[in-house]
Amino acid sequence: SQTIHQWPATLVQPVGSPLSLECTVEGTSNPNLYWYRQAAGRGLQLLFYSVGIGQISSEVPQNLSASRPQDRQFILSSKKLLLSDSGFYLCAWSLTGEGYTFGSGTRLTVV
Amino acid sequence: EDQVTQSPEALRLQEGESSSLNCSYTVSGLRGLFWYRQDPGKGPEFLFTLYSAGEEKEKERLKATLTKKESFLHITAPKPEDSATYLCAVQSSYKLIFGSGTRLLVRP
Repeated sequence: SQTIHQWPATLVQPVGSPLSLECTVEGTSNPNLYWYRQAAGRGLQLLFYSVGIGQISSEVPQNLSASRPQDRQFILSSKKLLLSDSGFYLCAWSLTGEGYTFGSGTRLTVV
Repeated sequence: EDQVTQSPEALRLQEGESSSLNCSYTVSGLRGLFWYRQDPGKGPEFLFTLYSAGEEKEKERLKATLTKKESFLHITAPKPEDSATYLCAVQSSYKLIFGSGTRLLVRP
């Protein structure tokens, strides 16, 4: 069966520090991969999606970047965090034509 | 522009009091409408996918329906464990576009 792993679960980082969140999927090949952010009490905002290795599409201009170094690995990064980067970050995967499966999320607090 | 609007924002029910949640959408070429349940501090959990107007799906006390412009999530005789945020999303190309959700609280 397919599983998605996302870590860390919580993270507190100072303003100006770098960020790296990792997401891996097991049990499937060539999945579509996604990074979403959820602000408190609000819906999910799509940040990046990838339909293959090295193929990254950005939805919202911002202080973040994404990379897909391997088929089932998706990384969200920042060189210098801003206070506004705080939020709940969710990774998800899907196969074309099917629904999304989400990870457990990372609660990021920038202080 | 593809858009999803959910109402109400919040809903409080007594245990056993049935109700419906609404999801209105505009999308160029609907490829699927999705319902998710999200508990605090956790990732969304998949409930249903609907593909065409008139389609209905059920799971325990939940029933989802779809028209050309909106979807309803009907909750029959809810229990306190049904308390959660319910998210609606439409698929546009590779992406899911989400509404802001309905926070449901079921009191015993």
